[in-house]
Amino acid sequence: EPEVTQTPSHQVTQMGQEVILRCVPISNHLYFYWYRQILGQKVEFLVSFYNNEISEKSEIFDDQFSVERPDGSNFTLKIRSTKLEDSAMYFCASSLDGEYTEAFFGQGTRLTVV
Amino acid sequence: GDSVTQMEGPVTLSEEAFLTINCTYTATGYPSLFWYVQYPGEGLQLLLKATKADDKGSNKGFEATYRKETTSFHLEKGSVQVSDSAVYFCALSQGGSEKLVFGKGTKLTVNP
Repeated sequence: EPEVTQTPSHQVTQMGQEVILRCVPISNHLYFYWYRQILGQKVEFLVSFYNNEISEKSEIFDDQFSVERPDGSNFTLKIRSTKLEDSAMYFCASSLDGEYTEAFFGQGTRLTVV
Repeated sequence: GDSVTQMEGPVTLSEEAFLTINCTYTATGYPSLFWYVQYPGEGLQLLLKATKADDKGSNKGFEATYRKETTSFHLEKGSVQVSDSAVYFCALSQGGSEKLVFGKGTKLTVNP
């Protein structure tokens, strides 16, 4: 069964460092998303991406964040200068047809900023 | 803005017990409602959904009914199994938006 794959499963980084979280969405999907969950809090939407551009983003997704689809298979989230409060579980998701079809989620990357 | 509130966990049940996980929402308009489940070490998976008032979503013995009058979408299962142990997330989406708005999640542990 096709699945969304995220790497690494756990990343530790020093405050101020850049970090790139990687995702391989399901191959025929057209919409891609990042969500995050800070420990003990809700899963929060960060950004959606379609046709090589951001289609929607939340207030959390400020200039420190960027997304890219560098090739036909990967979808990345970059945090330019990490802060302690960026520590969270980051989930990538993809869907075939946006709001009308099911979003499939990866298993998450736990980011710890020290 | 839109929000989802679900009952705090963790919830611990014995096998074959009845399960209810409460979920209420605040939203403008008529959102679609979802339950996602996350098994240990895996991603979130769609469990069931309902797109309009009075719709009942069902899957794997789980059910939830979209109640507009009480703005609720409670998850129920008549007889839980050990394999149902997971974290359950209630979520909504609004027409015209691709994003999901999630609750905090409720961890369910079922003991044999």
